[in-house]
Amino acid sequence: NAGVTQTPKFRILKIGQSMTLQCTQDMNHNYMYWYRQDPGMGLKLIYYSVGAGITDKGEVPNGYNVSRSTTEDFPLRLELAAPSQTSVYFCASSFMRNEQFFGPGTRLTVL
Amino acid sequence: GQQVMQIPQYQHVQEGEDFTTYCNSSTTLSNIQWYKQRPGGHPVFLIQLVKSGEVKKQKRLTFQFGEAKKNSSLHITATQTTDVGTYFCAFPGGGSQGNLIFGKGTKLSVKP
Repeated sequence: NAGVTQTPKFRILKIGQSMTLQCTQDMNHNYMYWYRQDPGMGLKLIYYSVGAGITDKGEVPNGYNVSRSTTEDFPLRLELAAPSQTSVYFCASSFMRNEQFFGPGTRLTVL
Repeated sequence: GQQVMQIPQYQHVQEGEDFTTYCNSSTTLSNIQWYKQRPGGHPVFLIQLVKSGEVKKQKRLTFQFGEAKKNSSLHITATQTTDVGTYFCAFPGGGSQGNLIFGKGTKLSVKP
């Protein structure tokens, strides 16, 4: 099993550009999550999903959108990139509320 | 809402010294999880505690869940340079929410 995979690993965006961060898990987990982690800080939940077709806002959802059309995939969309969205983005999955498995992260810089 | 305080924020130790990080909640927790994040890496699950007063050990790591299920600790005996990283506690969000709430973490540095 590959676990949780994220693409891309790194990305530089210009202000106002859009992009989609991809996340795929092959563990048949029903729960999936998106976090952002600013330098030296903890994890902030952006959005999460408890199953295909169901998504919910986390602590910091503004400026982001998600969809969950399949169990495996949970893409995160940034519509109008802003410098405040410079961060490391982690996707994670779990079976119910059990241990979360994290992907390797996407390091995003917005200039 | 639910809040958890994790202390200390930073800890610098000499290799071989012990280390402890604490998580304190304002409300009773159904369970608590601990994660470790190495520098430049992603969080990795260490353990989940569910029962009141539970104590679990993983080699040099000892995890405790308080009797009132409002606090938890992670203790590392005789730290090694491989223990370097940030340790987070996490607990379920309230009600029917599916999320975990993470503490701010304790960053451990170990001087050889």
